Amino acid sequence: GVTQSPTHLIKTRGQQVTLRCSSQSGHNTVSWYQQALGQGPQFIFQYYREEENGRGNFPPRFSGLQFPNDSSELNVNALELDDSALYLCASTTAGTRGRTGELFFGEGSRLTVL
Amino acid sequence: AQSVTQLDSQVPVFEEAPVELRCNYSSSVSVYLFWYVQYPNQGLQLLLKYLSGSTLVKSINGFEAEFNKSQTSFHLRKPSVHISDTAEYFCAVSEAQGAQKLVFGQGTRLTINP
Repeated sequence: GVTQSPTHLIKTRGQQVTLRCSSQSGHNTVSWYQQALGQGPQFIFQYYREEENGRGNFPPRFSGLQFPNDSSELNVNALELDDSALYLCASTTAGTRGRTGELFFGEGSRLTVL
Repeated sequence: AQSVTQLDSQVPVFEEAPVELRCNYSSSVSVYLFWYVQYPNQGLQLLLKYLSGSTLVKSINGFEAEFNKSQTSFHLRKPSVHISDTAEYFCAVSEAQGAQKLVFGQGTRLTINP
């Protein structure tokens, strides 16, 4: 399945954070979502074969990387209080076998910014 | 751009009663539709999806949803709920072409009372 680390972390305003995701084996597309408390997840961006392939309404201080070994990272610079949320990683095989429409989600990394 | 409206933020029902969770969407292009379930402190799990074909789709645990294009709705139903169905349910939409960006509704918290 999709695994994420760390599960919980606390940062202070202005700091930087890196969240990690290991995609399901064979998946070449990874997406990141931000889920604020009591809200639905919001699309941050998607990576396909190590290149950004779509971005939501998030500022450039949200950036990502996808590696050839089915892993990826979400980096957030200059943390703000509103960045406190559950960050979800999702992977799929879109691009090689056609779009199945199904994303497989990890359990998330809960970030608290003080 | 797409948007999703889940008409009820909370739905309390008694065990073994029927339930309907309502979802309406807006889009100018063809879409795929999904229902995801989120149990406490967990990530999202796909419950069911509509990609094409039969407008009535079913899950393995008794839920079903019907795609109604004229009413732009994708309501989720179950004829008899169980305590274990207590969770947050999210309706989501994505474009049928392009990057698999899911747009989620705000969620409906389903609470089953004994």
